[in-house]
Parts: sequence; structure tokens; C-alpha cells
Amino acid sequence: DQQVKQNSPSLSVQEGRISILNCDYTNSMFDYFLWYKKYPAEGPTFLISISSIKDKNEDGRFTVFLNKSAKHLSLHIVPSQPGDSAVYFCAASDSSYKLIFGSGTRLLVRP
Amino acid sequence: DGGITQSPKYLFRKEGQNVTLSCEQNLNHDAMYWYRQDPGQGLRLIYYSQIVNDFQKGDIAEGYSVSREKKESFPLTVTSAQKNPTAFYLCASSITMGGGANVLTFGAGSRLTVL
Repeated sequence: DQQVKQNSPSLSVQEGRISILNCDYTNSMFDYFLWYKKYPAEGPTFLISISSIKDKNEDGRFTVFLNKSAKHLSLHIVPSQPGDSAVYFCAASDSSYKLIFGSGTRLLVRP
Repeated sequence: DGGITQSPKYLFRKEGQNVTLSCEQNLNHDAMYWYRQDPGQGLRLIYYSQIVNDFQKGDIAEGYSVSREKKESFPLTVTSAQKNPTAFYLCASSITMGGGANVLTFGAGSRLTVL
């Protein structure tokens, strides 16, 4: 049973436009949510996180929104750049502090 | 530079053989983790360790073993009991498993192929 789901395996956007990556979760006990970016044959790198007590967190071009009632979060990248092309993983943790990852969304930013 | 070193980057194994993947960190992190990545399935937790000489099973521990004899080292052994070992293996560490978001730092990964 997947507790963290990324239902879109891929997304393609034009350079300069907004990229929106979505993530759904089922466990209401999750207290932190994180986004990671991964290039092929490399380890994931941390992008941004949000606490369950907040609904928005912004860091430069990256903003994460959390809708607890819908158990949904999204990562917005504005403006999108070709270097943003990668696989993006959503992750969540509860009091056990283990990270549970979604299956990832491959983002392609077209020049 | 601080970071996590995984070796080897690529490894081929014959069926029935055990193989050990190395993971070393110089970040002085307390917790270490092993994840496995398969296409379309994201990252799944194999084992994790919060402190030296202690470790816990993750979601897919069967067929794997670990040790944590030193703070900086967390090797993973893929045994012959692991039915589908071909995958990309990722080691990670974090400062602590408490207090805020548990931000993991990952190594570059080891790709294991069983022939």
C-alpha cells in the first residue's frame, strides 16, 4: 500500500513557464514533507521541505504548497529552466523519522 | 569536502553469490540508511541505523544484511536469498532522526546487476 503517491510519471513544460509537480499521501500522521531532485546515475539531492503545520514554504524559484485536508502537496518551479530537467521525488516522514518516498515524476523543461 | 562515498559504482554478480556494498560518510551524521530504487517504484527503505551497533529493518529487508560497527560506515550485504537483487542502491545519512525535517544526504549510488 503506497502511502505517498506521485500519479504523474512525467511532465513536460516550456522553459520560463511554471512546473507543477503533485503528490498525494494517505497517512495523516506525517509531520514533514520533502522534495528531492535526482539526475540519472546520481543520488537524490534535497530541494525543499514543509512542516505539516504550514501550508506554504518558498525558497527562490521553488515553492511547496500543502493542503492537509486533501492530503495533497505540490511543488511549483517558477520560472522553469532546462537544468531543472530531472526526476522529482516527494517524501514524507512521521514520528519514526523514516522517509517514505513516492515513485517520482520525470520533469522535462524544453528550451 | 564532506559527503557520502559509495563503492563500487557498478557491480556484477552471479546468481548465488553474496556481495557487499560499501558506504562511508564524513559528515559526522548519526543516522544512516540504505534504499533501493527500481524503475517506477521510487525509493524503498531496506535498513536504517540511528546509532553505532544498532540497526532496524526497513520495508524490504529480506535477503539483505547490514552492520554498523563505526559511525562513519554502514555496509550492505546483498545475499543469495534476495530474489531480485538487480537494482540501484542508495546510501544516505542524516544528522539525527529527531527535531524537524529529517533531511537525508545521499551518496551517488551503486548499480548492482545479477547475471
